[in-house]
Amino acid sequence: SQQGEEDPQALSIQEGENATMNCSYKTSINNLQWYRQNSGRGLVHLILIRSNEREKHSGRLRVTLDTSKKSSSLLITASRAADTASYFCATDALSNYQLIWGAGTKLIIKP
Amino acid sequence: SQTIHQWPATLVQPVGSPLSLECTVEGTSNPNLYWYRQAAGRGLQLLFYSVGIGQISSEVPQNLSASRPQDRQFILSSKKLLLSDSGFYLCACLRWADRPTEGYTFGSGTRLTVV
Repeated sequence: SQQGEEDPQALSIQEGENATMNCSYKTSINNLQWYRQNSGRGLVHLILIRSNEREKHSGRLRVTLDTSKKSSSLLITASRAADTASYFCATDALSNYQLIWGAGTKLIIKP
Repeated sequence: SQTIHQWPATLVQPVGSPLSLECTVEGTSNPNLYWYRQAAGRGLQLLFYSVGIGQISSEVPQNLSASRPQDRQFILSSKKLLLSDSGFYLCACLRWADRPTEGYTFGSGTRLTVV
């Protein structure tokens, strides 16, 4: 079943601007992960943040996690055309064998 | 790091025909393996997962089955395809020991269209 919910469902911004996507979830988690999917391709793991972490950086990516609000945000700074993709959050409770996935945010970067 | 090979990339099959999609993993041993299906513009639906050779768990009762004949081989099958089996099928892997700190590795997917 889907637990994570991303918003917005779609986001269109100009190249060079920052893009922020949000993810909410319902149950306790061990970690939360963000993935990118280019059109018609497989998913690529971007970043994992553990439940005891509040913020994590990787290059132009910044992820925050607020376990009290059961929410996370992914910020992409200085966006590029190559960032055009769908972005998914997934939560791992470690209590079973699967991740719980959101429906994704479709990000379009306009040149 | 692990790599997943998944083929074919696209497949068009008539209703009622059989299906076999194969996924092989390189660069790791004894991984957990997963088959997901993704409808157009949607998130991922877990179909099957396997924690070892011959061990298959099904998440969704349906027209499909999975098998793991070797440690790094995962196969998705159907005896008779339905129109509703159309979708984008993804294989993924993760070593259980890496789970708290590492993300999944995905294959490039198979676009299945049942006509």
